[in-house]
Parts: sequence; C-alpha cells; structure tokens
Amino acid sequence: ETGVTQTPRHLVMGMTNKKSLKCEQHLGHNAMYWYKQSAKKPLELMFVYSLEERVENNSVPSRFSPECPNSSHLFLHLHTLQPEDSALYLCASSQARATYNEQFFGPGTRLTVL
Amino acid sequence: AQSVAQPEDQVNVAEGNPLTVKCTYSVSGNPYLFWYVQYPNRGLQFLLKYITGDNLVKGSYGFEAEFNKSQTSFHLKKPSALVSDSALYFCAVRLVESGGSYIPTFGRGTSLIVHP
Repeated sequence: ETGVTQTPRHLVMGMTNKKSLKCEQHLGHNAMYWYKQSAKKPLELMFVYSLEERVENNSVPSRFSPECPNSSHLFLHLHTLQPEDSALYLCASSQARATYNEQFFGPGTRLTVL
Repeated sequence: AQSVAQPEDQVNVAEGNPLTVKCTYSVSGNPYLFWYVQYPNRGLQFLLKYITGDNLVKGSYGFEAEFNKSQTSFHLKKPSALVSDSALYFCAVRLVESGGSYIPTFGRGTSLIVHP
C-alpha cells in the first residue's frame, strides 16, 4: 500500500465503549498528525508527533489519547466519548524538517457516538 | 503567530467559467502557502504550494494560484471550471524563517459548487 491509510473507515460507538483509530503512513515521513473535522467548523489540530516533539492542542479532552509507537504508525484511543465527538477524524503525515513540505492525508474515519 | 482567512464560505460558478477561491494570510515573516482540496468523504489532497520564485504557481487538475505579497493573498484560480471541481478547498500557511513551526495553519475552507 502507498500513502496514508486509516482504519476503520467508519465507526459507531456508544458513550461507554473504548475503541482505537489507526493510521499508517508508507511515505517515510517523520511527523504525523491527528485532525478533527466537524460539520461547519474549522479543521481542528488535535495532536502532532515528530522526531523532536509531541504537540497537543490543550483544548482536546482527555477522553482522546494518542499513541505513536514509531514513525509509521499513529493511534487515537477513544474512551467514554460524547455525542459531540462525532466527526471525521483525519490523519496526516509530512517530512517535518523542512516547513515547505506539504502534508499527506488519509481518507479519514467517520466516527458516530450514540 | 500565523493565520489564514478564506472570506467566502461558498463560491458558485457555472461550468466553463473561470473560478477564483480567495485566501489571505498573516504571518510575522515570509510564508509558505498551500492549497488543498477535499472531495466528499475523503481526506484533504494537496493541490499546489508557493515556496519562492515565480508568483504564479501551477498545480494539479489545471489549478493555479498567484502569490501577492503586498496584498498578502494567495488566491486559487482555474480558467474553466468543471462540475467535477465541486469540492471543499482549504488554504494553509507556514512561516519560512528558521524556528518556524512545521505545523501549518488552515483556513476554514471554501465550498466550491460548479453548476452544469
């Protein structure tokens, strides 16, 4: 496979469930990102992992927990979510050392919280 | 600090007509500028970027964008719109200078609708 892949593509979960989103990049990049995209709202950066650092958006609730075991894989662990967390969750990667590099996005996971 | 404004939530254009999607930016230095497109139920896809040099940048699918430093703008253009160009378009900016974050700032997005 090439590019950035995300699984699952669709997820429906109850508020008491625990689930994880997975992202994998096959581009040799050294930075990976999680974004939340809600209807009629701006793209929201949630977390970034690179060789040098982890960056968090302080407004992201603790019920979202990222994990980056290596430069090719990124997870978003979900627990006790709320209905307002329903959104499209996008993973992206880039080569972080040069700021002129564009990001490559996965197709997203459409999350519905009941 | 860096920011991006896309002043139009939606742009409507007839097929075959030229289209423009506007973007203005604010950075405390020189910018790298990007355009992405998002088709329904898909992730964002890179279209083109301005790094340096020629102010007119050509990208995928016949799109181009013009960097205007004095007006701090980077408008996306296409001479003849197609119905298949209908999508959500995002402008993004990064600061060039050393120490600038590799994390881009995105605009809110502009929905382009091309009517047959």
